[in-house]
Amino acid sequence: AQSVAQPEDQVNVAEGNPLTVKCTYSVSGNPYLFWYVQYPNRGLQFLLKYITGDNLVKGSYGFEAEFNKSQTSFHLKKPSALVSDSALYFCAVNDYKLSFGAGTTVTVRA
Amino acid sequence: GAVVSQHPSWVICKSGTSVKIECRSLDFQATTMFWYRQFPKQSLMLMATSNEGSKATYEQGVEKDKFLINHASLTLSTLTVTSAHPEDSSFYICSARDGQGGFANQPQHFGDGTRLSIL
Repeated sequence: AQSVAQPEDQVNVAEGNPLTVKCTYSVSGNPYLFWYVQYPNRGLQFLLKYITGDNLVKGSYGFEAEFNKSQTSFHLKKPSALVSDSALYFCAVNDYKLSFGAGTTVTVRA
Repeated sequence: GAVVSQHPSWVICKSGTSVKIECRSLDFQATTMFWYRQFPKQSLMLMATSNEGSKATYEQGVEKDKFLINHASLTLSTLTVTSAHPEDSSFYICSARDGQGGFANQPQHFGDGTRLSIL
């Protein structure tokens, strides 16, 4: 079975500092990996995806993610975090259906 | 971009009532839609996969007779919570996948969710 894990329940950073949200995956075959963000009482918004090709994937709102096959990781990054980035972030792997990680709550303090 | 509309946003009703939630793809055709349930500050739990024109596929442990799913057109799926009780209170989210192209490399597009509160 395909799965992803998010080892951190919470990440706290100061505005302007780099933000990293960690994700590791376990799949057989080629992984199709996604990052989504959820704001309170809202659905999920798609940020970016890795299918194949370049290991550095750029997405929405200045986010990017680095696919690392040897470490089976797909960490989400933003060079300079904003207060408005405070939200719940989900890593997911897609087979026919999405399997989500447990989620990481990001808090960016002013 | 692909937009999924979910209605209603909030529902408060008495125990024993049946509640219908609609999920519409506004600018694309969705051959497959998904229904999730989410508890506070937790991940999404897939309840069922809905395919247009056929019966929904339910995940293990999800009561088919409690959560009725209908996907009658390429743009509309509905979830009906029948005879709802307080334990059914939750945040329900639908998503849809664009029918074009291979499925695994396409993101799902999510509705804004429905907050269901059963008194």
